[in-house]
Amino acid sequence: NAGVTQTPKFRVLKTGQSMTLLCAQDMNHEYMYWYRQDPGMGLRLIHYSVGEGTTAKGEVPDGYNVSRLKKQNFLLGLESAAPSQTSVYFCASRWGQGPNQPQHFGDGTRLSIL
Amino acid sequence: EDKVVQSPLSLVVHEGDTVTLNCSYEVTNFRSLLWYKQEKKAPTFLFMLTSSGIEKKSGRLSSILDKKELSSILNITATQTGDSAIYLCAVTGDAGNNRKLIWGLGTSLAVNP
Repeated sequence: NAGVTQTPKFRVLKTGQSMTLLCAQDMNHEYMYWYRQDPGMGLRLIHYSVGEGTTAKGEVPDGYNVSRLKKQNFLLGLESAAPSQTSVYFCASRWGQGPNQPQHFGDGTRLSIL
Repeated sequence: EDKVVQSPLSLVVHEGDTVTLNCSYEVTNFRSLLWYKQEKKAPTFLFMLTSSGIEKKSGRLSSILDKKELSSILNITATQTGDSAIYLCAVTGDAGNNRKLIWGLGTSLAVNP
């Protein structure tokens, strides 16, 4: 019963490098989300998707891009990493039908940008 | 602007104590309020509340929503060290078809033996 799986779990990058974080869910959920979590800032939404082939900006989208080519996968890309992007990144998904469904989270990716 | 405020920000208690965590919100067209527990890793879902005055209960944890006061409380009775975590509150409003959550900053609970 995998749920939401994020890879990698940890990564250290140098400023200017690029990378992609992968989120995979096996619950056939329509909605998927990428958050970052920083001390004192709480969970902030980066981008989200309401279905395969769709993406939309959240509250802190700058410096990130996303793609949802397959329903089960939601990719978060950093084209040119900056130290300000050091954070813990969480992916979440939820069932699309009905207004009152909880989001289910992956275990997070801890990313450090040097 | 939609917002969720949790109090206290942090709390230290002894095993066996009862704690009450608070969550207040301002959101356009409220739909639901959710509580999550976050230990080392992923936030895990505890409760979803949509109707005022109806208590949700799971073991030693319970929660209730007061739509008149725009708030919710999460009670934990007979606390154990395993209850140590950050408790997050989030609210959904009528934000179209995106089902976004508005998150509070959380209450950090430490239960000492």
